[in-house]
Amino acid sequence: EDKVVQSPLSLVVHEGDTVTLNCSYEVTNFRSLLWYKQEKKAPTFLFMLTSSGIEKKSGRLSSILDKKELFSILNITATQTGDSAVYLCAVPYSGAGSYQLTFGKGTKLSVIP
Amino acid sequence: GAVVSQHPSRVICKSGTSVKIECRSLDFQATTMFWYRQFPKQSLMLMATSNEGSKATYEQGVEKDKFLINHASLTLSTLTVTSAHPEDSSFYICSARARSGGWQFFGPGTRLTVL
Repeated sequence: EDKVVQSPLSLVVHEGDTVTLNCSYEVTNFRSLLWYKQEKKAPTFLFMLTSSGIEKKSGRLSSILDKKELFSILNITATQTGDSAVYLCAVPYSGAGSYQLTFGKGTKLSVIP
Repeated sequence: GAVVSQHPSRVICKSGTSVKIECRSLDFQATTMFWYRQFPKQSLMLMATSNEGSKATYEQGVEKDKFLINHASLTLSTLTVTSAHPEDSSFYICSARARSGGWQFFGPGTRLTVL
């Protein structure tokens, strides 16, 4: 059974801090790993990672995948209150041609002014 | 691009009634749509996958007679919660995958409260 585990489950930081969120996974047939940000409504897409060691970057957010150790990290530098959200990590189901996603429980990030 | 809408955004109903939630892909054709449920402080749980023109595939433990899914066109899927009960109260989110490929784009979600 595919499994996605995120840590920590929650995190409280001050504005300006840098945070690292973790996601480890166990899948039979790995294809990619996705990060989403969920505020009050549905998740919004952040990154899709398929290759090990290649950092994806978008503004203050960056993410990298380690396929050997089966984990990914999401970094947020110079955090702002608007970064407060639940960050979800997901991997596609192992079945060929399947685009269903298995989600982790998420990391709830709270950024205090 | 890649906008998915849901309607209604919030619904309150009495126990025993049926509720229909619509999911539309506004600017692309979605061959596959997914329906998720999210209880408070929990992650998204996939309920079913629907492909346009065919029957939905339900996840284990999801009653297909209770959660009716129709994906009649490439831009619309509906989820009907039949004979809703208070334990069905949840946040229901749909997502859509474009015919051209790529991953899932999520709708804004529908908050269902059953009294």
